Amino acid sequence: SQQGEEDPQALSIQEGENATMNCSYKTSINNLQWYRQNSGRGLVHLILIRSNEREKHSGRLRVTLDTSKKSSSLLITASRAADTASYFCAGAMEYGNKLVFGAGTILRVKS
Amino acid sequence: DTEVTQTPKHLVMGMTNKKSLKCEQHMGHRAMYWYKQKAKKPPELMFVYSYEKLSINESVPSRFSPECPNSSLLNLHLHALQPEDSALYLCASSLLQGVYNSPLHFGNGTRLTVT
Repeated sequence: SQQGEEDPQALSIQEGENATMNCSYKTSINNLQWYRQNSGRGLVHLILIRSNEREKHSGRLRVTLDTSKKSSSLLITASRAADTASYFCAGAMEYGNKLVFGAGTILRVKS
Repeated sequence: DTEVTQTPKHLVMGMTNKKSLKCEQHMGHRAMYWYKQKAKKPPELMFVYSYEKLSINESVPSRFSPECPNSSLLNLHLHALQPEDSALYLCASSLLQGVYNSPLHFGNGTRLTVT
């Protein structure tokens, strides 16, 4: 079963706008990771946030983690057409050595 | 370009065929994974190898048979598949299993169609 539920399922924005995607998970995690997948391609790791961290930045990406609410968000600032892709959160389960993916958000950035 | 190479990129096979998917990485990673991804769905874990030994089998049907000949190679042998097995099969690797600080590196997948 999937660990994470993502919201929204699909998001369409104009180039230059910010995109925010949310992820909720069910069980305890060691860390939470975000991946991007372009159509028909493999997944690319974007950023990892540990369970004892609250916020992390990488370039135009900002990730937050709220372990009390079992939720995370990914913010992409100043979006570009090349950011068009599916974005998945993935929880590294505290027990079981597994990385379980959420349902994903399809982001479309219009130029 | 990805550092995990999967072949073939596309595969069409009949239900009585036997075929194999191949995956190769040269990053010195000691954990390798097979995921299955249906259209518009997230990847689902199938198998994990750690130090060339099968570590996790997610109750995958026996018509899928994984093999890890050495630390750089991972195969998935297919036999008597069903049309519902049609999907994108993704290979991934990580430095170590346990994923605590070890993100996955994915290949671009094999698009499998079972007729």
